[in-house]
Amino acid sequence: EDQVTQSPEALRLQEGESSSLNCSYTVSGLRGLFWYRQDPGKGPEFLFTLYSAGEEKEKERLKATLTKKESFLHITAPKPEDSATYLCAADTGNQFYFGTGTSLTVIP
Amino acid sequence: DTGVSQNPRHKITKRGQNVTFRCDPISEHNRLYWYRQTLGQGPEFLTYFQNEAQLEKSRLLSDRFSAERPKGSFSTLEIQRTEQGDSAMYLCASRSLGNTGELFFGEGSRLTVL
Repeated sequence: EDQVTQSPEALRLQEGESSSLNCSYTVSGLRGLFWYRQDPGKGPEFLFTLYSAGEEKEKERLKATLTKKESFLHITAPKPEDSATYLCAADTGNQFYFGTGTSLTVIP
Repeated sequence: DTGVSQNPRHKITKRGQNVTFRCDPISEHNRLYWYRQTLGQGPEFLTYFQNEAQLEKSRLLSDRFSAERPKGSFSTLEIQRTEQGDSAMYLCASRSLGNTGELFFGEGSRLTVL
């Protein structure tokens, strides 16, 4: 069964304290692994797409990496404005399978 | 282009009533998706269209739910005889012609069933 699992469910960081979010996937025929940011009451906002193992993408304080079984979203020196829920999704061509997300809170 | 638009943003209804949500995708996108999201969960796939054809529907989708995309542009999602368990955020997303790249999401339609 196609499945995406994210951990941890929630993460509290002090401002400037770096950490990583995990996304494990079990899907047949992965076309791409996507990361989204979602603020309360809003739709998900696209961050990154990764297509092959070993690929990395960076944007400001965020870096996403991909292996054959999981993806990581590394957050370096986070700021309070990085507080949000981070979702990963596996694209099989027909569907995007989403994880349940990691709720990140960055404390000033 | 203003992105994916959803209406209404909020809907409060009584149990047993019918509700309809509308989604206007990005104009050149031929794929349109509906997802449902409850608090603390990720988006759950409901159905998707390629142009006007509904190509896939979740097995979990009750027959009280129906979606249409009559001219391959906007889409509607109707829920008949609403139940309290239908309370959720209903998200619409669209994708470009090549069916690669990201899903672009709307802001969602929040349904509360009393």
